[in-house]
Amino acid sequence: AQKITQTQPGMFVQEKEAVTLDCTYDTSDPSYGLFWYKQPSSGEMIFLIYQGSYDQQNATEGRYSLNFQKARKSANLVISASQLGDSAMYFCAMTPWGAGGTSYGKLTFGQGTILTVHP
Amino acid sequence: GAVVSQHPSRVICKSGTSVKIECRSLDFQATTMFWYRQFPKQSLMLMATSNEGSKATYEQGVEKDKFLINHASLTLSTLTVTSAHPEDSSFYICSATPQDTEAFFGQGTRLTVV
Repeated sequence: AQKITQTQPGMFVQEKEAVTLDCTYDTSDPSYGLFWYKQPSSGEMIFLIYQGSYDQQNATEGRYSLNFQKARKSANLVISASQLGDSAMYFCAMTPWGAGGTSYGKLTFGQGTILTVHP
Repeated sequence: GAVVSQHPSRVICKSGTSVKIECRSLDFQATTMFWYRQFPKQSLMLMATSNEGSKATYEQGVEKDKFLINHASLTLSTLTVTSAHPEDSSFYICSATPQDTEAFFGQGTRLTVV
């Protein structure tokens, strides 16, 4: 079984500042993938970034970077230079990897963090 | 990225009626699709795995007779909420995964049962 924990129900950040959203996980799977999704008030799920458990380097995608600490089982999302449009709910998720492409779809989600960016 | 289309985006139905929600992969084939349920400001909970050409796999606690899933083609999965009641009101969202990529989600369906 897999478990994702996001301990920050809500976070506030000033526009143009950086913010870190916390995520810890627990799994017995030897290989796995970690994801971050953004969910605006419209409800759509927007993929932000992916980290594989065997990736040596932390993933980066534009203003998003993932601080992956495997030994601590944490996968924190860092958003640099926050923008007003970043206000949304953010989910950390994971899937076991190694069973083929279908593994990517079956996600276990954390509780989510509501990020509010102030002007 | 890949496109997953979900329809309808919003539906209001009377208690006791059934509602069908469609999930389509528009530019790729999906032998497997996933259905999630989300209550306001809460996490997404996996309800079931939809398998093309075979029975869906339901998560523990999900009533298979209430939430009927059909995956008749490689691009379409449907979720039917049968005999809907107010407690079934929720946000339902599907996802599908092109080979070796991240999951892509439909736009979601906000169901209100009155």
